[in-house]
Amino acid sequence: GQNIDQPTEMTATEGAIVQINCTYQTSGFNGLFWYQQHAGEAPTFLSYNVLDGLEEKGRFSSFLSRSKGYSYLLLKELQMKDSASYLCAVYNYGQNFVFGPGTRLSVLP
Amino acid sequence: DTAVSQTPKYLVTQMGNDKSIKCEQNLGHDTMYWYKQDSKKFLKIMFSYNNKELIINETVPNRFSPKSPDKAHLNLHINSLELGDSAVYFCASSPGTGSSYEQYFGPGTRLTVT
Repeated sequence: GQNIDQPTEMTATEGAIVQINCTYQTSGFNGLFWYQQHAGEAPTFLSYNVLDGLEEKGRFSSFLSRSKGYSYLLLKELQMKDSASYLCAVYNYGQNFVFGPGTRLSVLP
Repeated sequence: DTAVSQTPKYLVTQMGNDKSIKCEQNLGHDTMYWYKQDSKKFLKIMFSYNNKELIINETVPNRFSPKSPDKAHLNLHINSLELGDSAVYFCASSPGTGSSYEQYFGPGTRLTVT
């Protein structure tokens, strides 16, 4: 079966650091993506991992451990505009993208 | 310039009707997708086309029929609409079917079936 798990909601303070976790069990693994989705808008690409380790992109970093079926998205220097849902998605052997349920992040002043 | 566009943005219709949603991308991408996002915000792939050929057809009722007249367009036709079809439908495109390709999403079409 295919299962991707993320926390439903998280809250953090402006300027802080937050880590959003994603665990997955899918039929094969060909890469993991993180997307950001503001309320009422389309998802937009944040990061991509296919090998173990950390990928850094400005204030956003994403980590992958394939042996553990685990990834996290790290957001630094949080800003109010970072309040959004964060979706973890796995690309599996069937050339299929499977999305997690998303984590709704609220950034408080 | 809009990269991936969808029309209409909102669609309210009654059960049993037939409706279409249109999608166009001007990115020159080879692959296009349709996703359904339900009220719980789960984003689920429905179809994927590569160079006008169907490559993914998830477990979707056959009332849903995608059509790709050319590489830049992927339309979704829905017959005999049901209450459970109410959702936001997103079209997306990517340069290819490889795993390293990010997807670019359209703004979504909010379908409400009454």
